[in-house]
Amino acid sequence: DTEVTQTPKHLVMGMTNKKSLKCEQHMGHRAMYWYKQKAKKPPELMFVYSYEKLSINESVPSRFSPECPNSSLLNLHLHALQPEDSALYLCASSPSTGLNSPLHFGNGTRLTVT
Amino acid sequence: LAKTTQPISMDSYEGQEVNITCSHNNIATNDYITWYQQFPSQGPRFIIQGYKTKVTNEVASLFIPADRKSSTLSLPRVSLSDTAVYYCLVGVYNQGGKLIFGQGTELSVKP
Repeated sequence: DTEVTQTPKHLVMGMTNKKSLKCEQHMGHRAMYWYKQKAKKPPELMFVYSYEKLSINESVPSRFSPECPNSSLLNLHLHALQPEDSALYLCASSPSTGLNSPLHFGNGTRLTVT
Repeated sequence: LAKTTQPISMDSYEGQEVNITCSHNNIATNDYITWYQQFPSQGPRFIIQGYKTKVTNEVASLFIPADRKSSTLSLPRVSLSDTAVYYCLVGVYNQGGKLIFGQGTELSVKP
């Protein structure tokens, strides 16, 4: 079990659907992250939130829309995705965005776009 | 950002010590070196972090030479359950959390 909880664990959606991925942590961490991971590849950074404000967007297409409603929650809203967006989406948190502040990852949402 | 280079894969046997070296030639003064472990269908898990010399915890040791251009993760007496991908990360403090994963090392432990 991890201290970062992601729901759902698996999601299948069509290209016209709208869905959301959810991430929750109760460790009091003030930085939260979304990463995308394709099979046999390393995680790729998508977004970073620091103190509930978006601080980094790694040129992610607008069909991915992050939201941080409060310091414990992080959402990723999905709309009009493509089959190549199928991947494992990982959420992480850390006490801050300082470099001696290790990331705590959830176990991800396995997304399949049909 | 400091780019990291690791071996793509390594094989070992149960009970052996495994050393995985990461090269980061353009590491900056403020950079820490962090290692993560990832099992299939799970998120990466923090193993160890260091800035210089040697760091040891209950899981592993991290050796960093004086020039800091490389680091070595040492796993003592590996077991089958240590089969995983190991990532070395080096970041820049003023990039605000922009931690980029390298390609990782796929470690396979055989009986």
